[in-house]
Amino acid sequence: ILNVEQSPQSLHVQEGDSTNFTCSFPSSNFYALHWYRWETAKSPEALFVMTLNGDEKKKGRISATLNTKEGYSYLYIKGSQPEDSATYLCAFHSGGGADGLTFGKGTHLIIQP
Amino acid sequence: NAGVTQTPKFQVLKTGQSMTLQCAQDMNHNSMYWYRQDPGMGLRLIYYSASEGTTDKGEVPNGYNVSRLNKREFSLRLESAAPSQTSVYFCASSVSQVSGETQYFGPGTRLLVL
Repeated sequence: ILNVEQSPQSLHVQEGDSTNFTCSFPSSNFYALHWYRWETAKSPEALFVMTLNGDEKKKGRISATLNTKEGYSYLYIKGSQPEDSATYLCAFHSGGGADGLTFGKGTHLIIQP
Repeated sequence: NAGVTQTPKFQVLKTGQSMTLQCAQDMNHNSMYWYRQDPGMGLRLIYYSASEGTTDKGEVPNGYNVSRLNKREFSLRLESAAPSQTSVYFCASSVSQVSGETQYFGPGTRLLVL
């Protein structure tokens, strides 16, 4: 069983502040790292799929970086807005074993107005 | 374009009863997946189907069976439900199982086993 860790588990951020959180994953047999945004009572929505060491991806105020050699990815949110409140999941895709994704437990982000 | 649909949205079962959770996608995806989500746990893979006609076990397959009925539909069956199977079940699909392919999720089925 692959170990994908996310920290912190939850985070309260003031509206307008920037924030970031971490996903750690096995550094061996890496194929891809996915980030999903999951709002309460909805289904997870894909944010980024990252495959190359040093990858940086950006979508609006949200960006992510990837370090496959040390096994971590950061998700950054710039100028947080209330609509950013959600659980952010990362998921690791290795080259072997079951070919679904191995998910972390998520970081629950609450933006306070 | 409906994407991934799941039925039912919510179900209550008694221990020992059986039921089938339905999932369909209209994106012409080859690969489909079933996950369960429990409090304090990440999404865990139950079964997946890399392509029509194939199914494989994931991390937590015990107590479940699946059928890839055709390219669009992938069902999950509980033959004899147990309280430990109380969970939220998500179906997902992707173009293929190749890493780097985004998975698209359905709205989930909440199952309560008494």
